[in-house]
Amino acid sequence: DAGVTQSPTHLIKTRGQQVTLRCSPKSGHDTVSWYQQALGQGPQFIFQYYEEEERQRGNFPDRFSGHQFPNYSSELNVNALLLGDSALYLCASSLGQGEHNVPQHFGDGTRLSIL
Amino acid sequence: AQSVTQLDSQVPVFEEAPVELRCNYSSSVSVYLFWYVQYPNQGLQLLLKYLSGSTLVKGINGFEAEFNKSQTSFHLRKPSVHISDTAEYFCAVSDLNDYKLSFGAGTTVTVRA
Repeated sequence: DAGVTQSPTHLIKTRGQQVTLRCSPKSGHDTVSWYQQALGQGPQFIFQYYEEEERQRGNFPDRFSGHQFPNYSSELNVNALLLGDSALYLCASSLGQGEHNVPQHFGDGTRLSIL
Repeated sequence: AQSVTQLDSQVPVFEEAPVELRCNYSSSVSVYLFWYVQYPNQGLQLLLKYLSGSTLVKGINGFEAEFNKSQTSFHLRKPSVHISDTAEYFCAVSDLNDYKLSFGAGTTVTVRA
């Protein structure tokens, strides 16, 4: 049973570019959450997608957007990249309701470096 | 809004010695509490969680944590560590009616022979 899978594992971009990161949730999960982890810090919540809608959003600018597909996979898009966007981006999956909604299964992340 | 404070940024410990990682949280409502471990170049792995019931929670790899509501703490312990326990440990909290996790800044545990 595959867990949460993310692609790509590493990515290098330059300032001003746009990037798309992808996530497939654990089998049976219908909810995807995205987190940003800067070097030496704890993860910060970006947003959560459930039933193809953004259900909750953290304190991130509109340059960060997402999408969830009917098969529950998800994309994170970041426009107009800044040096400060360099981080590990983590995807987590869960079930949509109740105590099981809190993400407990994380992928290994995508390491994004901005030059 | 909730927040998490991990009181120790780095904890060096000798192999087979006990370790305790301290975590305090603040929230105006009831919460769920979690501890995660992150090995180098990997994602987060859930060690244990407190949702309700017994305040002493046992997790994987011999770890346990105790929820203390009056002190708003959720400290993680292991009676005897191994070299393989060297990693970053994160405490996290979630309000019962929220969908997100709020993480602490992490504690780096380095186990030496």
